[in-house]
Amino acid sequence: DAKTTQPPSMDCAEGRAANLPCNHSTISGNEYVYWYRQIHSQGPQYIIHGLKNNETNEMASLIITEDRKSSTLILPHATLRDTAVYYCIVPPLTGGTSYGKLTFGQGTILTVHP
Amino acid sequence: KAGVTQTPRYLIKTRGQQVTLSCSPISGHRSVSWYQQTPGQGLQFLFEYFSETQRNKGNFPGRFSGRQFSNSRSEMNVSTLELGDSALYLCASSLASNYPSRNEQFFGPGTRLTVL
Repeated sequence: DAKTTQPPSMDCAEGRAANLPCNHSTISGNEYVYWYRQIHSQGPQYIIHGLKNNETNEMASLIITEDRKSSTLILPHATLRDTAVYYCIVPPLTGGTSYGKLTFGQGTILTVHP
Repeated sequence: KAGVTQTPRYLIKTRGQQVTLSCSPISGHRSVSWYQQTPGQGLQFLFEYFSETQRNKGNFPGRFSGRQFSNSRSEMNVSTLELGDSALYLCASSLASNYPSRNEQFFGPGTRLTVL
């Protein structure tokens, strides 16, 4: 998988936007950027993914730089329930030893404060 | 649409025993992946099944095995349990389409296995 680098932890005030960065400088042209989060003791939850255009869904927005070497996940109005570990993953294109495999790094621990 | 379900949610076993965990994927999803999560090693990929065939396997000993049924439900088995097998076992399902933009994985709540 393309290596990703995330800050180990971030804080955010409730109601404010949380901006979580991710560097993926070795990403190749057709690889997607995926974001997942894991709330304590639960299974990871898919948030959003994108290739090169900015993406938005009901949970978050994903901003990918033009050179695709980094991205930012934006939670527009963070709540206490958004406290979780956030993972940025760039899975290789399917085939061979990449089938069904997500490689989770350490992620970013986001703590939302009241 | 119902999410991924895993049974049982909690399990306590003793060393040397074996255990079978079950995973029911989202309807229409044909790929099931299994992961082990421990505090020391984080989330690690065990294996993936698609159409009853194991397509990919992580770096785990042969005591860890799995299978997938024709309805896409999957089971994993751990034989000769060791203390270090205590972990949260997660399964995830995906469409496994030929389009990389449609292969997000959806995880179940996990099975918490404790080996005494």
